[in-house]
Amino acid sequence: QSALTQPASVSGPPGQSITISCTGTSSDVGGYNYVSWYQQHPGKAPKLMIHDVSNRPSGVSNRFSGSKSGNTASLTISGLQAEDEADYYCSSYTSSITYVFGTGTKVTVL
Amino acid sequence: QVQLVQSGAEVKKPGASVKVSCKTSGYTFTRYTIHWVRQAPGQRLEWMGWINAANGDTKYSQKFQGRVTITRDTSASTLYMELSSLRSEDTAVYYCTRGGGSSYFDYWGQGTLVTVSS
Repeated sequence: QSALTQPASVSGPPGQSITISCTGTSSDVGGYNYVSWYQQHPGKAPKLMIHDVSNRPSGVSNRFSGSKSGNTASLTISGLQAEDEADYYCSSYTSSITYVFGTGTKVTVL
Repeated sequence: QVQLVQSGAEVKKPGASVKVSCKTSGYTFTRYTIHWVRQAPGQRLEWMGWINAANGDTKYSQKFQGRVTITRDTSASTLYMELSSLRSEDTAVYYCTRGGGSSYFDYWGQGTLVTVSS
């Protein structure tokens, strides 16, 4: 199972909106509404930010939103803040009853 | 509150095996799956496999099939991940994480660093 494809890095100034893409295939991202997103600060465990494409867990800021079109899912961070600087990973359920993560995106707040 | 507490760091020689534990609390143990995810230094997250805590059924990534075994002890609410035939490329932080709903990982352990070195 190949990793989902994400841009290596995305950046923006405070207050701006950025979008991270996550491209897979019809056997994973495109086949199920089971895409989730994780934020990881250096040396820390990942934190769930979005599940089932667009659902935000309790306690996650509404500045984070998710969507999907075909084989590509997206995470949008609006009103970028310094604490959003981290690595972000997408994940998808697959037709093999397994899971796959994305290649990861480093978000930098300029 | 939900907690997943993992065992401490390990140093192993190539060819050896390692067994990492994940003690859970704060929820009904048998109602959720547990997954294992690893992250080599500076690399992406990599899904290894999962276990149904209720009945012990497992599913592994093809990459680790034959080398990884995930087990559980329901009396201790503890899960285990054993990786055999270790090589230097297996040096990584290993995480246990709870399967929330049907498709995502909602709570994570603190991670266990496994270093493989001669």
